[in-house]
Amino acid sequence: DVKVTQSSRYLVKRTGEKVFLECVQDMDHENMFWYRQDPGLGLRLIYFSYDVKMKEKGDIPEGYSVSREKKERFSLILESASTNQTSMYLCASIDPDRGLAEAFFGQGTRLTVV
Amino acid sequence: DAKTTQPTSMDCAEGRAANLPCNHSTISGNEYVYWYRQIHSQGPQYIIHGLKNNETNEMASLIITEDRKSSTLILPHATLRDTAVYYCIVRVVFSGSARQLTFGSGTQLTVLP
Repeated sequence: DVKVTQSSRYLVKRTGEKVFLECVQDMDHENMFWYRQDPGLGLRLIYFSYDVKMKEKGDIPEGYSVSREKKERFSLILESASTNQTSMYLCASIDPDRGLAEAFFGQGTRLTVV
Repeated sequence: DAKTTQPTSMDCAEGRAANLPCNHSTISGNEYVYWYRQIHSQGPQYIIHGLKNNETNEMASLIITEDRKSSTLILPHATLRDTAVYYCIVRVVFSGSARQLTFGSGTQLTVLP
């Protein structure tokens, strides 16, 4: 029954490391999203993708990049991790014909950068 | 997207109805109201959505005022497992392009035993 899977629940990385967060969905959705969530700030959109190899910046793209080589997989990349990127990262996918009512989220990856 | 305003936190006694308000005074005619919730350490979960009529499903009821400037999510018999942050989102639904999900800070609902 699992629909959106994130590769790790918890991750600890060192400052300056390149970090890959993977997200896979099995619903054949075109639209996928990466968010970060911090206390008191709610969910903030980092990047989204509406098709393979297509990507758009969200509200806070600085320090991040993404990759969408296959429809089912959307990767978030921290090119050089910094302590201010310590956060909960959430991936979501949406069926564009069903709108927000069909948004599915992964379980989240709690990243700590030390 | 129209801006939404929700209280920061609310408490509710177990077994009682939880009524979570949301103001969206700048909502336009083609914008829907969506509700999601997020239980601690999990991803957000869709609850219900509506345009102008009241809606009910197995999880909750959604009451939208006639002028559509506010709405209320009702959990009829709250349980401890309903303790979560509840997000109200207003969004246009259209096909053929990406839809950004923009969440605010939501309301922390605590169901008390």
